[in-house]
Amino acid sequence: AQTVTQSQPEMSVQEAETVTLSCTYDTSENNYYLFWYKQPPSRQMILVIRQEAYKQQNATENRFSVNFQKAAKSFSLKISDSQLGDTAMYFCAFLYNNNDMRFGAGTRLTVKP
Amino acid sequence: GAVVSQHPSRVICKSGTSVKIECRSLDFQATTMFWYRQFPKQSLMLMATSNEGSKATYEQGVEKDKFLINHASLTLSTLTVTSAHPEDSSFYICSAMVDYEQYFGPGTRLTVT
Repeated sequence: AQTVTQSQPEMSVQEAETVTLSCTYDTSENNYYLFWYKQPPSRQMILVIRQEAYKQQNATENRFSVNFQKAAKSFSLKISDSQLGDTAMYFCAFLYNNNDMRFGAGTRLTVKP
Repeated sequence: GAVVSQHPSRVICKSGTSVKIECRSLDFQATTMFWYRQFPKQSLMLMATSNEGSKATYEQGVEKDKFLINHASLTLSTLTVTSAHPEDSSFYICSAMVDYEQYFGPGTRLTVT
């Protein structure tokens, strides 16, 4: 069974600074997808970034980038130039076989002015 | 991107009654939809996978007779909480998968009094 671990329940960062959220996972599969989702106070789940396991290049999306280490089964999210609107819960997620997505416990990020 | 809606966004019901939550894919067809439950400050817990035209697949520990799922069309899945009890109070989220990416509804907050 696939498991996703987020070891940081809460983090904070100063506005305009950079923060990295950690995620590790456990799987015996070779082809899968990894995601970071943001859940603001509205509770709407918003896709931040996605990584296909077969791609070696780390995904980037504007201020958001990942450090994907397949051998180490690590998938961290880096947020650059943090903004107040980045304050939210962040969930790391693992998808295999287009059918079964598993979420980590989440990291509550607070961006301080 | 694909849009998923949920109705109602909030519902309060009395203990012992049943309540139905609708999940619709607005601009695409979804043969598979997912139902999650989220407790305060916790992650999303997969309850069941809803398959159009066939029975839903429930996760271990989820009572299928209590949480009835019907996926009658390619754009609509419903979750009915039968004989609701206060412990069923929670935030329920549906999603649909398109091209290895999940699109989430805005969620439904259920309160059972």
